[in-house]
Amino acid sequence: DTEVTQTPKHLVMGMTNKKSLKCEQHMGHRAMYWYKQKAKKPPELMFVYSYEKLSINESVPSRFSPECPNSSLLNLHLHALQPEDSALYLCASSQDWGVVVTEAFFGQGTRLTVV
Amino acid sequence: ILNVEQSPQSLHVQEGDSTNFTCSFPSSNFYALHWYRWETAKSPEALFVMTLNGDEKKKGRISATLNTKEGYSYLYIKGSQPEDSATYLCAPQYNFNKFYFGSGTKLNVKP
Repeated sequence: DTEVTQTPKHLVMGMTNKKSLKCEQHMGHRAMYWYKQKAKKPPELMFVYSYEKLSINESVPSRFSPECPNSSLLNLHLHALQPEDSALYLCASSQDWGVVVTEAFFGQGTRLTVV
Repeated sequence: ILNVEQSPQSLHVQEGDSTNFTCSFPSSNFYALHWYRWETAKSPEALFVMTLNGDEKKKGRISATLNTKEGYSYLYIKGSQPEDSATYLCAPQYNFNKFYFGSGTKLNVKP
C-alpha cells in the first residue's frame, strides 16, 4: 500500500467555522507533511512532523493547527479562516531515516474554499 | 522563501517530439533534488531522487541529470506521448525533511 489518503476531497467552510482535514498513511513512514497550493503557484511547505513531533512550522498563522495523533494520522485543524486561505491542501509522508534521502508520497489533496 | 525556478512554464509539443525542462535552485546546503510528475486531479508522483553532482537517472523514456555545484537539474523526455501530459515539478531538499517546490513546467503533448 503506497497510498496517502486525504479526506475530505472538497470542503467549503465559512469564516467562523471550525473544520479539520485528515491524512492517513500505512507505509510505516515517520515523517508527515502539510503543503498548501494556491492556483498557479508551487506547493508551499506548512508543517513537518517527525516521529509524531512537530519539527518544522514555516511561520504558519495560528488559525491552522496541525496534530499528529499517531504515526499513521495527520490532521490539520482550521478555525477562523479567511477567503485567501482557499487553496489545495496536500499531505505527504516519507521515511525518516536521518541522513538517508527518500522520496515523499503525496495524497490527492483537499480543495478548500472559505466563504 | 527559497527561489526555485523552473523553465519553461509551459510547453506544447507534438507526439514523438523530445523535450527537456530546467530546474534551478540555490546550491548552498543542498541535500537532494526530487522530480515529481503531477496529473490533474491526481497525487504528485515521484519520478527521481538525486543527490550527487553528476547523477543521472532514467525511467523508461524519461531521464534526469543533476549539477549541484551550479544548482540545476534537467529533465528529458524522449519521444513524448500524450500520456506524458502533466505538470513536472522539481523539489530541492535542504535538510532531512524540508522540500521546496518549483512552480512546475506544464507539458501538453498533442497526438
